[in-house]
Amino acid sequence: DAGITQSPRHKVTETGTPVTLRCHQTENHRYMYWYRQDPGHGLRLIHYSYGVKDTDKGEVSDGYSVSRSKTEDFLLTLESATSSQTSVYFCAIRDRQGMNTEAFFGQGTRLTVV
Amino acid sequence: EDQVTQSPEALRLQEGESSSLNCSYTVSGLRGLFWYRQDPGKGPEFLFTLYSAGEEKEKERLKATLTKKESFLHITAPKPEDSATYLCAVQEATGNTPLVFGKGTRLSVIA
Repeated sequence: DAGITQSPRHKVTETGTPVTLRCHQTENHRYMYWYRQDPGHGLRLIHYSYGVKDTDKGEVSDGYSVSRSKTEDFLLTLESATSSQTSVYFCAIRDRQGMNTEAFFGQGTRLTVV
Repeated sequence: EDQVTQSPEALRLQEGESSSLNCSYTVSGLRGLFWYRQDPGKGPEFLFTLYSAGEEKEKERLKATLTKKESFLHITAPKPEDSATYLCAVQEATGNTPLVFGKGTRLSVIA
């Protein structure tokens, strides 16, 4: 299994509070991604990183920010959580992008905003 | 318009009843097509990568094929343990872009 750890695995938070999810990898892969998965929508990209301090937006980035200060850690922050951000969040890593290399996924974080 | 469309959304099979899942894509150029399996409560698990039309990959009861516009995941004589959601993703040939995923096909194999 790829060395990816997401924390926490489950979280319940209140509307309007800030939340940070963490993704930690031990593979030294350059690319890291945050996806959310919702019924009827599949996996949708929130943000991704192509190096330390290098990030870019995905298709559903509104309301989310990210940071990557070290190769191994990629943080996803919900500045002020809303009920629409209740979802399962997956982190993925990839050695190269634009080439035929697969992405490996973490186990997910189930976030409930009440 | 979705770049990756998977069908059917859900499929229920009897054990031993072979079938196929479809993944069609509309990206302008394809560099790679990826199949993943996802079990409930877990992250997607990589199965195959296909690079060019005509290519086939096999793993146990699964065989993936690729044409210029779609890919099929054939499941031969499935068992209950094959029950999962199967995801398809594409890598565009132009640019340095993340994978784009379809919504998945939820497969149930009944003993």
